[in-house]
Amino acid sequence: GAGVSQSPRYKVAKRGQDVALRCDPISGHVSLFWYQQALGQGPEFLTYFQNEAQLDKSGLPSDRFFAERPEGSVSTLKIQRTQQEDSAVYLCASSPGGTPPHEQYFGPGTRLTVT
Amino acid sequence: AQSVAQPEDQVNVAEGNPLTVKCTYSVSGNPYLFWYVQYPNRGLQFLLKYITGDNLVKGSYGFEAEFNKSQTSFHLKKPSALVSDSALYFCAVRGGGGFKTIFGAGTRLFVKA
Repeated sequence: GAGVSQSPRYKVAKRGQDVALRCDPISGHVSLFWYQQALGQGPEFLTYFQNEAQLDKSGLPSDRFFAERPEGSVSTLKIQRTQQEDSAVYLCASSPGGTPPHEQYFGPGTRLTVT
Repeated sequence: AQSVAQPEDQVNVAEGNPLTVKCTYSVSGNPYLFWYVQYPNRGLQFLLKYITGDNLVKGSYGFEAEFNKSQTSFHLKKPSALVSDSALYFCAVRGGGGFKTIFGAGTRLFVKA
């Protein structure tokens, strides 16, 4: 079956531009995570959705970062007024949800370069 | 605060030899522990997890990991390494009843033929 997909795969933005990154999770997956992965580092948690509810946004680095999942399926991560330090790979992952937690299924990521 | 440490940036092992990739963690409450692997130009893939029960868990591609509560460790092992195991390995922890998953910085495994 189809895995997690993300678009675009690559995005170049000029400093100050707004960007929107899309994630299509596996159908039926309740949980959706966003991560930021800098070069040579592990993924860093940004935010978590359970269906359409954003239950944890403690990892969002600033108020320029905003995520939504309005219908409990597709999610969008928006970054306003991009800065060079936002350059990274943004990963989306989904899982069936529930307790105990299932493993996460990751998308290929969107590589954002801010010039 | 939750944290994960992977003390080795890189592990080198000869094909056919056993391998160990180390991971220690800090979390409040019961930990849920995971190993993921990242091959070049491919996304993160799940290898195995510890939720509860037996301390030795077995996963994909012949990998296993041992949960040690007293040492707060979850080392990844394989009895006989393959060249195709060469990749970047990440340990991750989720705990304290929360949703946040913390990843280590990763360990690059090189298996030499």
